[in-house]
Amino acid sequence: DAGVIQSPRHEVTEMGQEVTLRCKPISGHDYLFWYRQTMMRGLELLIYFNNNVPIDDSGMPEDRFSAKMPNASFSTLKIQPSEPRDSAVYFCASSPVHRAGEKLFFGSGTQLSVL
Amino acid sequence: AQKVTQAQTEISVVEKEDVTLDCVYETRDTTYYLFWYKQPPSGELVFLIRRNSFDEQNEISGRYSWNFQKSTSSFNFTITASQVVDSAVYFCALSEEMTGNQFYFGTGTSLTVIP
Repeated sequence: DAGVIQSPRHEVTEMGQEVTLRCKPISGHDYLFWYRQTMMRGLELLIYFNNNVPIDDSGMPEDRFSAKMPNASFSTLKIQPSEPRDSAVYFCASSPVHRAGEKLFFGSGTQLSVL
Repeated sequence: AQKVTQAQTEISVVEKEDVTLDCVYETRDTTYYLFWYKQPPSGELVFLIRRNSFDEQNEISGRYSWNFQKSTSSFNFTITASQVVDSAVYFCALSEEMTGNQFYFGTGTSLTVIP
C-alpha cells in the first residue's frame, strides 16, 4: 500500500529561484495538509485541502508561498521567489476524514536548502 | 501559549536503559486526542499511538508504554530496554474536537541511544 509520496527528497536552490514541491496523497484520502518543520518553530501547518479545495491557508507565511491541488492525487507547494529563511523540511500529510482523532499519514518530507 | 510542551529537548541513554519522554498538554476541550509520532534519522514521521480523552488506561506495546494522566495533563512515553534503533525525534501532538483535525505538535524530544 503506497503511502504519501513527496518529491523531491532534497532540493538545493539559490535565493530568488522558484521552488516547487510535490505531493501525492494516499488514494481515497480527502484531506491533504502541508507542514513546515524548522528548528525554531517546530512543525507548523501551512495549508490544508478538502477534496482539492483549500480550506485554511492561514499558516502560509507570505505571498511568496502558494499551494494548489489540481486533482485528488496531486498537490504542489510553490515558493517564488525563494529566500534563505525558507530553508526547512516540508511535509505533506493526508487523512481520510477531517475530525479530531483522525491520524495523519505523513510523507518522507522534502529537505529544502535555499542558498 | 504552547498547547503541547515537551520540555526535554535532547536525551541520551545507554542501550538497554529505560527512558521516559514527557509530554504536557493544554486544552479547554473535553473531547481531545493525543498522539505520539516518531521521526527517525531518515526523516519521515511515523505514527505510534493515539489516545482519546475518555480513555485513561495505560497502554503497552512491546517495549513501548504510554501513561495518560488527565489530572496532570500529561501523556508520557516510556521505552523499556532501549535499543539503538529507538534513536529518533519523538513528537507529542494534540487534536481537539473543537478545532477538528488541527494538530498541535510539541517541539519534539531528540533521543539518542548509545550502544
